[in-house]
Amino acid sequence: EAGVTQFPSHSVIEKGQTVTLRCDPISGHDNLYWYRRVMGKEIKFLLHFVKESKQDESGMPNNRFLAERTGGTYSTLKVQPAELEDSGVYFCASSPDTNTEAFFGQGTRLTVV
Amino acid sequence: LAKTTQPISMDSYEGQEVNITCSHNNIATNDYITWYQQFPSQGPRFIIQGYKTKVTNEVASLFIPADRKSSTLSLPRVSLSDTAVYYCLVAREGGKLIFGQGTELSVKP
Repeated sequence: EAGVTQFPSHSVIEKGQTVTLRCDPISGHDNLYWYRRVMGKEIKFLLHFVKESKQDESGMPNNRFLAERTGGTYSTLKVQPAELEDSGVYFCASSPDTNTEAFFGQGTRLTVV
Repeated sequence: LAKTTQPISMDSYEGQEVNITCSHNNIATNDYITWYQQFPSQGPRFIIQGYKTKVTNEVASLFIPADRKSSTLSLPRVSLSDTAVYYCLVAREGGKLIFGQGTELSVKP
């Protein structure tokens, strides 16, 4: 069974550009989460989808970040325009329900220069 | 929000038992305690989860006292490949995970 897949694994963009990160959860997992670690700090929650609906987006830092999960399958996280402080590692996780373990992808390392 | 506190780093030797204790004084009634392991350049990986008393699986044991204000992850007979960061988390309702700093475990030969 394939795990959580994230694409790209690395991305280097200039300040002001747009970047879109993609996450393919484990098939059948309704719950999809985005997290990030910036500047070597702790991993922080961004948002939670249940199927295609945003269940909790309390961790989204500002309106430059837009997450979607059309059709309740894969999800995208767009950063537009990117700022230097957005550099970090973005993780995606999925789970079949909210009380069981979450499976994480390997993350996308974003560098904004 | 319930915050967890755990040692920043620990050293051990191959074959030893390692116990990592985490405090979570503000844990809520509905919160579970979950431990994840993370290797460099990888995402966190689930180890074990519990609500109270003791939970054991093929990888580790988790001890939770009655007041649930702390928990201890026990790794039996560690090997070099157990060198990683270990996170103690309080899993909120809704599945949202609140990460702390983690404990960097270094296993030496």
